[in-house]
Amino acid sequence: SQQGEEDPQALSIQEGENATMNCSYKTSINNLQWYRQNSGRGLVHLILIRSNEREKHSGRLRVTLDTSKKSSSLLITASRAADTASYFCATDLRGATNKLIFGTGTLLAVQP
Amino acid sequence: KAGVTQTPRYLIKTRGQQVTLSCSPISGHRSVSWYQQTPGQGLQFLFEYFSETQRNKGNFPGRFSGRQFSNSRSEMNVSTLELGDSALYLCASSSQTGARGEKLFFGSGTQLSVL
Repeated sequence: SQQGEEDPQALSIQEGENATMNCSYKTSINNLQWYRQNSGRGLVHLILIRSNEREKHSGRLRVTLDTSKKSSSLLITASRAADTASYFCATDLRGATNKLIFGTGTLLAVQP
Repeated sequence: KAGVTQTPRYLIKTRGQQVTLSCSPISGHRSVSWYQQTPGQGLQFLFEYFSETQRNKGNFPGRFSGRQFSNSRSEMNVSTLELGDSALYLCASSSQTGARGEKLFFGSGTQLSVL
């Protein structure tokens, strides 16, 4: 499987703190996406960054992409209890067909 | 617009039975993908349909099959259920263009338990 790996597997922080999650992947990509999943529910798309982009912002989210290191990071600033969820990166492989390969996920717990 | 709708939400079956799961994509979306999520294997791609044609298939046995109808609704079928098929099955749709690598809109999933 060419599944990405995320680090850390679990993260616990206090409200107001920043949370950083990392994702590594194995092969060249067209783009990388981040998704969020609340327990037992469907995934919600957060942000997409293309292979020719290095950084992208959306509200309290900041995503970076380093294609030379085949890695990405997701930063959530000023976290809230409602940010508690699992976060997944997903890659769309260059030259491959339209399927997303999901990482193993980071479980984020934000303590009020 | 209504979101992606999956039915049923929960399903309990016994080994050897077969099951059909249904997915209605967002109106106008023509691409539908299916994923299996388990604690051990994470999110695994099953297949993707676009305009009634299967474009991609993951590494699952032939017991897993799917189809898409002319209204873009999709079904997946699992025959001869095994205990290991217990999982959350997620359906996702993407926008009208069907271009590769677009963001996906997920349904809430069908939680399948095989006893």
